[in-house]
Amino acid sequence: ETGVTQTPRHLVMGMTNKKSLKCEQHLGHNAMYWYKQSAKKPLELMFVYSLEERVENNSVPSRFSPECPNSSHLFLHLHTLQPEDSALYLCASSPGTSGGNEQFFGPGTRLTVL
Amino acid sequence: LAKTTQPISMDSYEGQEVNITCSHNNIATNDYITWYQQFPSQGPRFIIQGYKTKVTNDGASLFIPADRKSSTLSLPRVSLSDTAVYYCLVGLESGTYKYIFGTGTRLKVLA
Repeated sequence: ETGVTQTPRHLVMGMTNKKSLKCEQHLGHNAMYWYKQSAKKPLELMFVYSLEERVENNSVPSRFSPECPNSSHLFLHLHTLQPEDSALYLCASSPGTSGGNEQFFGPGTRLTVL
Repeated sequence: LAKTTQPISMDSYEGQEVNITCSHNNIATNDYITWYQQFPSQGPRFIIQGYKTKVTNDGASLFIPADRKSSTLSLPRVSLSDTAVYYCLVGLESGTYKYIFGTGTRLKVLA
């Protein structure tokens, strides 16, 4: 148990569906992250939020839309996804965004797009 | 240009000591060296972090030479449950908030 929870743990959706992934951290951290991990590939950073402000967006398609309503919660809204978006989506938090900050990861959401 | 280089895979036997070395020739003065462990279908877990010399915690040691251009994660007496991917991270990508996880080292512990 890392103090970072993600729901749902598994999600199957069609290409025309709209769904949302939820992340919650109970650590009092100021930074939150979304990562994508496809099979046999390194983790890809998608978004970074610091104090509820998006500070990094790594050329992620607009069909992924993040939302950070407060420093404890992070959402990833999904719409009109493609089969190649099937992956493990990981949320993480850290005390700050500077180098040397340990990142605490959630268990991930395994997403399958049909 | 990758910030770190580490072996793609390693095999070991239960009870042995495992050393995984990471090269980071372009490490910056203020960069820390951090190692994570990841099991299949789970998020990475922090193992250990250091700046220079040697750091030790309950399950691992981190050796960093004076020039800091490499580091070695040492796992004493590994067990089957240590089978995982191990990532070496060095600082953030310049001008970003991004750690580069790379492909990691896939450690397989055999009985």
